[in-house]
Amino acid sequence: DARVTQTPRHKVTEMGQEVTMRCQPILGHNTVFWYRQTMMQGLELLAYFRNRAPLDDSGMPKDRFSAEMPDATLATLKIQPSEPRDSAVYFCASASIYRQGVSNQPQHFGDGTRLSIL
Amino acid sequence: SQQGEEDPQALSIQEGENATMNCSYKTSINNLQWYRQNSGRGLVHLILIRSNEREKHSGRLRVTLDTSKKSSSLLITASRAADTASYFCATLRSGGYNKLIFGAGTRLAVHP
Repeated sequence: DARVTQTPRHKVTEMGQEVTMRCQPILGHNTVFWYRQTMMQGLELLAYFRNRAPLDDSGMPKDRFSAEMPDATLATLKIQPSEPRDSAVYFCASASIYRQGVSNQPQHFGDGTRLSIL
Repeated sequence: SQQGEEDPQALSIQEGENATMNCSYKTSINNLQWYRQNSGRGLVHLILIRSNEREKHSGRLRVTLDTSKKSSSLLITASRAADTASYFCATLRSGGYNKLIFGAGTRLAVHP
């Protein structure tokens, strides 16, 4: 079965350090989403890309977070500098979406990166 | 901000019983989707219902949608211990640029 792969699965680091999370979307999927899940806020959309171009990153704190897709097989989410409040599980999801504004295609999620900032 | 709100927040039942979870939302939608999340794992898509559909089935799952009440329900029949998970509804808003808005989820525990 094709699946979304996220690395690392777990990351513990001290505040102020740079954190990079990686995602390999399902081959052939043209849309990639980044979500953050916490107990307090639930699942929040941070950013999403179609055909490697950022379409919406309004959910992402701009001063410390950045998301990129260097190529069709890799999406990255970076936090610099990291803070304790960034501790959460970060999910990547991918989908095939070819029509703006309407999609009846499901999103396929990776198993997430559990991030702890001390 | 969350568009959907699931009810109940937690549900505990015995194997073989039916489980019903409800979801309410606030704005016009294009479709509504249900996802399952097992502990420590990512979300898995279960079923999608479009705004012009009222009911949909998939195996032991039955989803209804009432757009006039802005609500949906997920019924799992003949539940199994393996159904233990969190269940989330997600709405794709009309003109929403493919942004899914997730609810807070229902934690379902099915006891053998």
